[in-house]
Amino acid sequence: EIVLTQSPDTLSLSPGERATLSCRASQSISSNYLAWYQQKPGKAPRLLIYGTSSRAADIPDRFSGSGSGTDFTLTVSSLEPEDFAVYYCQQYGSSPPELTFGGGTKVEIK
Amino acid sequence: QLQLQESGPGLVKPSETLSLTCTVSGGSISSSSYYWGWIRQPPGKGLEWIGSIYYSGSTYYNPSLKSRVTISVDTSKNQFSLKLSSVTAADTAVYYCARQRSMVYATGWGQGTLVTVSS
Repeated sequence: EIVLTQSPDTLSLSPGERATLSCRASQSISSNYLAWYQQKPGKAPRLLIYGTSSRAADIPDRFSGSGSGTDFTLTVSSLEPEDFAVYYCQQYGSSPPELTFGGGTKVEIK
Repeated sequence: QLQLQESGPGLVKPSETLSLTCTVSGGSISSSSYYWGWIRQPPGKGLEWIGSIYYSGSTYYNPSLKSRVTISVDTSKNQFSLKLSSVTAADTAVYYCARQRSMVYATGWGQGTLVTVSS
């Protein structure tokens, strides 16, 4: 089973600052199989990024994803007030098929 | 526009079976591009994948829950369902249903339903 470790647990930033979130896998995964989600309190997660770097529909271009192998990054270039939330990475493993999530990073207002 | 809606009891007794249904609207559950999954989130904690089903009935389950989980699909009603047996307090969570593109990632989610396991 592949384990995803997200860091930091909490990121305290101000609006307009750049956020860099890390997701590290316990073994190499295909870049096609890494996704990021945003979750706000009391709401369902929302897909932000799939295939490591492709933005989902209606996701603003201040969100970007990168990485390969075991190290992946979600970057928010300039935080808007609505971006303060919890972010999860997720990978798909094909043998056997399964999904695993990282523990999440909370981006909070400093 | 795709919508998913979970339904089922909000309170289940320990050792009993949790049963939830997800009704899909605005799209066909028989689409060849998607799997349909259940994901849960204990209060204040992270996300855990429970399992997924294809419209043909093929299923995949989280190994840690496999012995207690059954997911089924009813294409005539555009619904899929979750049964989790022998529940304990550790199964208390918000349960989400989701549409998964080729099973790889979840493109749409239900609003979630809180299920509490308590006597």
